[in-house]
Amino acid sequence: DGGITQSPKYLFRKEGQNVTLSCEQNLNHDAMYWYRQDPGQGLRLIYYSQIVNDFQKGDIAEGYSVSREKKESFPLTVTSAQKNPTAFYLCASSIATAGEPKQFFGPGTRLTVL
Amino acid sequence: GEDVEQSLFLSVREGDSSVINCTYTDSSSTYLYWYKQEPGAGLQLLTYIFSNMDMKQDQRLTVLLNKKDKHLSLRIADTQTGDSAIYFCAERGGGYQKVTFGTGTKLQVIP
Repeated sequence: DGGITQSPKYLFRKEGQNVTLSCEQNLNHDAMYWYRQDPGQGLRLIYYSQIVNDFQKGDIAEGYSVSREKKESFPLTVTSAQKNPTAFYLCASSIATAGEPKQFFGPGTRLTVL
Repeated sequence: GEDVEQSLFLSVREGDSSVINCTYTDSSSTYLYWYKQEPGAGLQLLTYIFSNMDMKQDQRLTVLLNKKDKHLSLRIADTQTGDSAIYFCAERGGGYQKVTFGTGTKLQVIP
């Protein structure tokens, strides 16, 4: 099956700890994205990557870091600098051309800080 | 910056039509989208419309775009209980990688 997988589905973190969320896709998509979802606020873009070894900050990148060493993988690290990390995190991917409009989403990871 | 607004909640009876509305501010929007999110899940792309179109129909779904008023709507005909979900409006403009999402409208279908 082609698609996007995120793991784990639920993640608990103690304050002061870094934690890494996994996102893998086998759609052969060039572009990948991380969004954060909070109740009543829609989705906000954290980071995106159009090609391997390159990524750009989105609207709320502070306290997060990413890497893109492989085309199929785009892990997100939530650092201790992120002041309010409890949220639902969504990974997405798309073909990286201006004429292709579709982003496909993974099932999400719910992060809770204890 | 770009802004996309939706009402937060809509309740309809099973079998009726649902209309979810959205307004946006980016005059350079190229594509506008409707996504569906079921509880605890990711977003599923329902349909999208290119900005030079007025209407798009796909089975029970009808999308209407009023570009002059920057207003987008999603009509679901014969709404079923399985349609209960959060529906997100989104727009892409000013660079293909930038998609701005609305806050989502929670649709409740009453049996």
